[in-house]
Amino acid sequence: NAGVTQTPKFQVLKTGQSMTLQCAQDMNHEYMSWYRQDPGMGLRLIHYSVGAGITDQGEVPNGYNVSRSTTEDFPLRLLSAAPSQTSVYFCASTGGRVGTYEQYFGPGTRLTVT
Amino acid sequence: RKEVEQDPGPFNVPEGATVAFNCTYSNSASQSFFWYRQDCRKEPKLLMSVYSSGNEDGRFTAQLNRASQYISLLIRDSKLSDSATYLCVVNGPGAGSYQLTFGKGTKLSVIP
Repeated sequence: NAGVTQTPKFQVLKTGQSMTLQCAQDMNHEYMSWYRQDPGMGLRLIHYSVGAGITDQGEVPNGYNVSRSTTEDFPLRLLSAAPSQTSVYFCASTGGRVGTYEQYFGPGTRLTVT
Repeated sequence: RKEVEQDPGPFNVPEGATVAFNCTYSNSASQSFFWYRQDCRKEPKLLMSVYSSGNEDGRFTAQLNRASQYISLLIRDSKLSDSATYLCVVNGPGAGSYQLTFGKGTKLSVIP
């Protein structure tokens, strides 16, 4: 099993450009989420999905869109990149019952917006 | 009050030392508690779940105090390989929620 995969690993964008960060999992998990991690800020939830066709906003959703057309894929779209979106982005999927579940993270995408 | 609070450290300890990390959380509805480990420039990985009765996994012991909304992690006989950032994590907002809230982490450096 590959677990959670993310592409690309690194990306540099110019202000105003758009792009999609890809995330896929092969564990048949219903719950998936996107986080950003900034120095001194910890992990902050951007968007999450409880199943195909269902998405919702997290703590810091502005400037990002998500979709969930299949159980496996959960792409994150930056609509118009801004320097404030320079960060490390982690995708995660969660399986198991509440109380015993584990959240699996992808290796991250390091994004720089100039 | 922040949802999950941790001492940011860094904790610099010699090999073989015992070190304890503390964490407090604000959501009284949380039912699931975890410690994650994150190595530099890597993704977080689950270290251990935390159960009401406390639990131990080798050199690691986790404790939960629901009344005080307090979680701890004890590492005995520290190894160089324990150097990492340790994240305290709770679920919420609802008791059955899969959403996780992460503390900012406590950095540990184990020194030879």
